[in-house]
Amino acid sequence: AQSVTQLGSHVSVSEGALVLLRCNYSSSVPPYLFWYVQYPNQGLQLLLKYTTGATLVKGINGFEAEFKKSETSFHLTKPSAHMSDAAEYFCAVTSYGNNRLAFGKGNQVVVIP
Amino acid sequence: DTAVSQTPKYLVTQMGNDKSIKCEQNLGHDTMYWYKQDSKKFLKIMFSYNNKELIINETVPNRFSPKSPDKAHLNLHINSLELGDSAVYFCASSQVWEMNTEAFFGQGTRLTVV
Repeated sequence: AQSVTQLGSHVSVSEGALVLLRCNYSSSVPPYLFWYVQYPNQGLQLLLKYTTGATLVKGINGFEAEFKKSETSFHLTKPSAHMSDAAEYFCAVTSYGNNRLAFGKGNQVVVIP
Repeated sequence: DTAVSQTPKYLVTQMGNDKSIKCEQNLGHDTMYWYKQDSKKFLKIMFSYNNKELIINETVPNRFSPKSPDKAHLNLHINSLELGDSAVYFCASSQVWEMNTEAFFGQGTRLTVV
């Protein structure tokens, strides 16, 4: 079964500082990897995804993530945090022929002014 | 226009009651899902339908029964509600049944059983 590990349920970052959210996956087949964001009282919105091709993936709102097969990782970064980045972030994994997403437990990001 | 819409947004009910949550998508997608998000924000798939046919049925109590009258709608009916059913339920849809395409989520239904 596929799974995702996100460490540190709460992440505090100063406004203007680097945002780094770690995601490690487990998959016996080539993975498809996603980052979703959930703003308070809203549904999930796709930030970015990796399926095949370029391992550095750029998403919305200045976020990017890099797929590293050797490290089984898909960490999410943003060079400079903005107050509007305060939200819950979920990493998820699936694979070809699979129609279920396995989500990590999420990171609650707090941006400190 | 909202792509994936769920009603109601909030639902407070007593133990033992039966309730339904409705979901509609206007994206023309073939596949729809129900996910449950518990109090610790953990998301887990419950059901998946493709063109009105059930293709995923996770280990969910049979008090939960999904119904898909057409491929744009996937409703969730819950019988004999229990305290442990309190959660946020998300409906989602994707263009094809493989989830390498983007899944669009509704805003969620926060169910509180008292």
